Amino acid sequence: EAGVAQSPRYKIIEKRQSVAFWCNPISGHATLYWYQQILGQGPKLLIQFQNNGVVDDSQLPKDRFSAERLKGVDSTLKIQPAKLEDSAVYLCASSLGAAGVSSEQYFGPGTRLTVT
Amino acid sequence: DAKTTQPTSMDCAEGRAANLPCNHSTISGNEYVYWYRQIHSQGPQYIIHGLKNNETNEMASLIITEDRKSSTLILPHATLRDTAVYYCIALHGSSNTGKLIFGQGTTLQVKP
Repeated sequence: EAGVAQSPRYKIIEKRQSVAFWCNPISGHATLYWYQQILGQGPKLLIQFQNNGVVDDSQLPKDRFSAERLKGVDSTLKIQPAKLEDSAVYLCASSLGAAGVSSEQYFGPGTRLTVT
Repeated sequence: DAKTTQPTSMDCAEGRAANLPCNHSTISGNEYVYWYRQIHSQGPQYIIHGLKNNETNEMASLIITEDRKSSTLILPHATLRDTAVYYCIALHGSSNTGKLIFGQGTTLQVKP
């Protein structure tokens, strides 16, 4: 079974520029998550989709971050404009179930963003 | 969700059992204990989870104390490939979001 795919794997931009990340979850997985992992810390959930609806975006900095999951499959996460503190690894994960303990999450390799 | 506490780092000799502790003294009756690990430059990987009973799968065993205030993840025969950060997470069984709250985790170094 193919895993969660993410692209690009690495991105370097200057502050105030915009950037977009793409995620393709495991086929058939209803739930998709975006996490931000700053160096030396554990991942932090930014947004969770159930099919193409948002379940939780309480930690998403909505003034600069946006995400969408059109047709309930692929998802994109955008940052506009980027700040230095956005330098991190952005992880996408997916799970089969709706939520809770049935939802073992499968993570992609992540996109490492460096903002200079 | 209950807070979990783990040692910052541990060492283990290759071929020996690695026992990773986790304290979750405020865990509620319907919160599960999940373990994930993150190998360097990869995304986290699910290992195992449990509620009350001990659990075992092809990767590891999970031992939960009777009062559920702590647990231990056991890797029975650690290899160099098991070097990673291990995260213990308490997750509400009826959570609407399945939101994983990662702490600092335990960095396990398996040595030859």
